[in-house]
Amino acid sequence: QVQLQESGPGQVKPSQTLSLTCTVSGGSMTSDVYFWTWIRQHPGKGLEWIGYIYHGGTTFYNPSLRSRVSMSIDMSKNQVSLKLSSVTAADTAVYYCAREGVGLDVWGQGTTVIVSS
Amino acid sequence: DIQMTQSPSSLSASVGDRVTITCQATQDISNYLNWYQQKPGKAPKLMIYDASNLATGVPSRFSGSGSGTDFSFTIISLQPEDIATYYCQQYDNLPRTFGQGTKVEIK
Repeated sequence: QVQLQESGPGQVKPSQTLSLTCTVSGGSMTSDVYFWTWIRQHPGKGLEWIGYIYHGGTTFYNPSLRSRVSMSIDMSKNQVSLKLSSVTAADTAVYYCAREGVGLDVWGQGTTVIVSS
Repeated sequence: DIQMTQSPSSLSASVGDRVTITCQATQDISNYLNWYQQKPGKAPKLMIYDASNLATGVPSRFSGSGSGTDFSFTIISLQPEDIATYYCQQYDNLPRTFGQGTKVEIK
């Protein structure tokens, strides 16, 4: 059974780069059937789709974040990474990684990132 | 971007009641619509995919319908464990977009 686990610093200073990793266990990332997705949720708010990457390294980012986002995939480590640059307090959120197959059918538990000096 | 509008934003119903949430897209998305359940402090869980297909392990009291721009999500008989926020999501276009959520509470 595939499981996802996000990891990374819980606090980032304004103007710095947020870096998170999603580790996939219990399954392979090599299938091109799946898109490895990042989603965030601001405190008390709804879900915001950040973007996805799939095993060939092709990415699509939400235009609202495109200038600051990058994603990468390391299949040797079964990991997907998210970088968000020039963060502000508005980037404080719970960040989820999820697998898009038939729907977003597998999710990590989420990791809280607070942007604060 | 395709905008997804859910209605209502919140509702309160009794155990055993039939509950329906609607979701409207700003353009035709065929049946490329999923529904998720999110309980407090937890990650969302896929409930319905392709507008009307029950995800694995989801009880049969949940159902979805619709196509084009108008969709609905129904709980036939509300149970205490169904208390959550429900989101629709379109995957016809990029970027994927979610509705704003419907919070379901017990009366």
